[in-house]
Amino acid sequence: AQSVTQPDIHITVSEGASLELRCNYSYGATPYLFWYVQSPGQGLQLLLKYFSGDTLVQGIKGFEAEFKRSQSSFNLRKPSVHWSDAAEYFCAVGAGSNDYKLSFGAGTTVTVRA
Amino acid sequence: GAGVSQSPSNKVTEKGKDVELRCDPISGHTALYWYRQSLGQGLEFLIYFQGNSAPDKSGLPSDRFSAERTGGSVSTLTIQRTQQEDSAVYLCASSRTRTGGVNIQYFGAGTRLSVL
Repeated sequence: AQSVTQPDIHITVSEGASLELRCNYSYGATPYLFWYVQSPGQGLQLLLKYFSGDTLVQGIKGFEAEFKRSQSSFNLRKPSVHWSDAAEYFCAVGAGSNDYKLSFGAGTTVTVRA
Repeated sequence: GAGVSQSPSNKVTEKGKDVELRCDPISGHTALYWYRQSLGQGLEFLIYFQGNSAPDKSGLPSDRFSAERTGGSVSTLTIQRTQQEDSAVYLCASSRTRTGGVNIQYFGAGTRLSVL
């Protein structure tokens, strides 16, 4: 079965600074990869996904992520953070014959300071 | 509807009582999922419905948990004899029929369950 690790529980970043959130997965082949964002009291919103092809994927709200097979990573980046980006971010993996069972990391909480 | 709708948004219950959580998926989505999000944890898969197929219940933590989906649309997650460890946010998601690729799951805002 696949698993996901988000090494950073909490990140604080200044508004306008760049942001990178780490995600590592464990799976023998290339899985389907997702980043979701959850604002307080809200459901999860899909930021971007990787299924195949170009390893650099663009998402909504100015986010991008890069799939690196050699490192089993799918890190999320944003060049310039806005205060509205303060939220919890989840990396998720779907793989194998039961790829509908997404495995989620524990999440990274992002705080944006003025 | 425009998105996945869950009700109630918050539920406080006493230990030992039964609770029902409701999910109304996006119109036209045939797949429906339930996840549980415990404090400080990621999401834990509970159950998956796809059309008229038998549901995948492999994630249900105990026989106190059950779910049904009536008419291929609305789903109800029932927890019997609730325990304090059942306190969590229960999230529902839906997606289109899978046609050779993975589905994108769209999530509701969840039901926050507190068992006293």
